[in-house]
Amino acid sequence: DAGVTQSPTHLIKTRGQHVTLRCSPISGHKSVSWYQQVLGQGPQFIFQYYEKEERGRGNFPDRFSARQFPNYSSELNVNALLLGDSALYLCASRSFSQETQYFGPGTRLLVL
Amino acid sequence: AQSVTQLGSHVSVSEGALVLLRCNYSSSVPPYLFWYVQYPNQGLQLLLKYTSAATLVKGINGFEAEFKKSETSFHLTKPSAHMSDAAEYFCAVSTTGGGNKLTFGTGTQLKVEL
Repeated sequence: DAGVTQSPTHLIKTRGQHVTLRCSPISGHKSVSWYQQVLGQGPQFIFQYYEKEERGRGNFPDRFSARQFPNYSSELNVNALLLGDSALYLCASRSFSQETQYFGPGTRLLVL
Repeated sequence: AQSVTQLGSHVSVSEGALVLLRCNYSSSVPPYLFWYVQYPNQGLQLLLKYTSAATLVKGINGFEAEFKKSETSFHLTKPSAHMSDAAEYFCAVSTTGGGNKLTFGTGTQLKVEL
């Protein structure tokens, strides 16, 4: 079975631009979460979605938004990019009956 | 609120030596605890997890961890380090009441020397 997939793998943007990151969960997983990992730090929770509804939000500004589609894939959107948004963005999926989250390879975003 | 502290941002061991990576957690409710490994330019791979069953948990690649409630610890060990173990290791905590969001420590970079 395929694991969590994310696209694109790498992305370069300039300040003020908008970016959309995509994630496809493991087949059968209905919960998707997004994390931001700044270089040298542990991942920080951004959002959790289940059945297309937001179930949790981390301490991130409103420039960050996400949604989940009927096929359980998800998008993370970031508006008005700042240099500090440069990071590895990780998507994780899990079966709602289990505790374990499985991570994708991430999208590395560089904001210039 | 939940939190994780990983003592030692960098740990260096010789090949064949014991690996010990420390993790202490804080949680107001019974936690779920995880260790993930991250190789350069990759995502996170689950090593092992504690979910209130056996306190000694065995994971992949010969790693294991012991949940000690009295010490609020979940240290990761491996009897004999291999060069391929060189990576960054993250301890994480979640709770059902917290919506299963993971709270990570700051990571420990493991270096294995010949």
